Amino acid sequence: DAGVIQSPRHEVTEMGQEVTLRCKPISGHDYLFWYRQTMMRGLELLIYFNNNVPIDDSGMPEDRFSAKMPNASFSTLKIQPSEPRDSAVYFCASSLSRLETQYFGPGTRLLVL
Amino acid sequence: SQQGEEDPQALSIQEGENATMNCSYKTSINNLQWYRQNSGRGLVHLILIRSNEREKHSGRLRVTLDTSKKSSSLLITASRAADTASYFCATANAGGTSYGKLTFGQGTILTVHP
Repeated sequence: DAGVIQSPRHEVTEMGQEVTLRCKPISGHDYLFWYRQTMMRGLELLIYFNNNVPIDDSGMPEDRFSAKMPNASFSTLKIQPSEPRDSAVYFCASSLSRLETQYFGPGTRLLVL
Repeated sequence: SQQGEEDPQALSIQEGENATMNCSYKTSINNLQWYRQNSGRGLVHLILIRSNEREKHSGRLRVTLDTSKKSSSLLITASRAADTASYFCATANAGGTSYGKLTFGQGTILTVHP
């Protein structure tokens, strides 16, 4: 298995632009997680899905952030409009169950100018 | 505040020495997990220890869990330069609305000098 795949790996955009991050979880994993990592706040859980259904989005910072999982093999995290404070590394992870090992993708490094 | 708090924040040792990192947490947990992150990369799972376990081994890694003190430690024996990375503990909540949610600490930066 290729592991969790994220794209793009790097994204540089200007304030106000829409940003879409993509994730393909490991096949057969029922849970998908989106995290954000910054120096100031560390690794934060933004949202997670179970069987394509959003379960807990309490970590989503504000309405500018949205996430979807249209099928078991694809998820997106969208920021619209983007702001400089959104600059961070965004990770996607998947797991077989909520309590078990999470497998992380390589991350998307986002810079909003 | 972070559920898992690692100590120390940074650790610098020589190759061949042992490295010990500690993690403290506040609420009841189902399990505690340790992850490694190399610079610029994603997190890699190292070991999971359940709340009813006290010690677990995996290769050169040894993890202990003391639920009465709400603390865990990760010991890396005979360290290598390739062990240089950030190490995070993550706690899986035992109940409530955050059941199963993984909360990560700020991490310990380990540097192993050849």
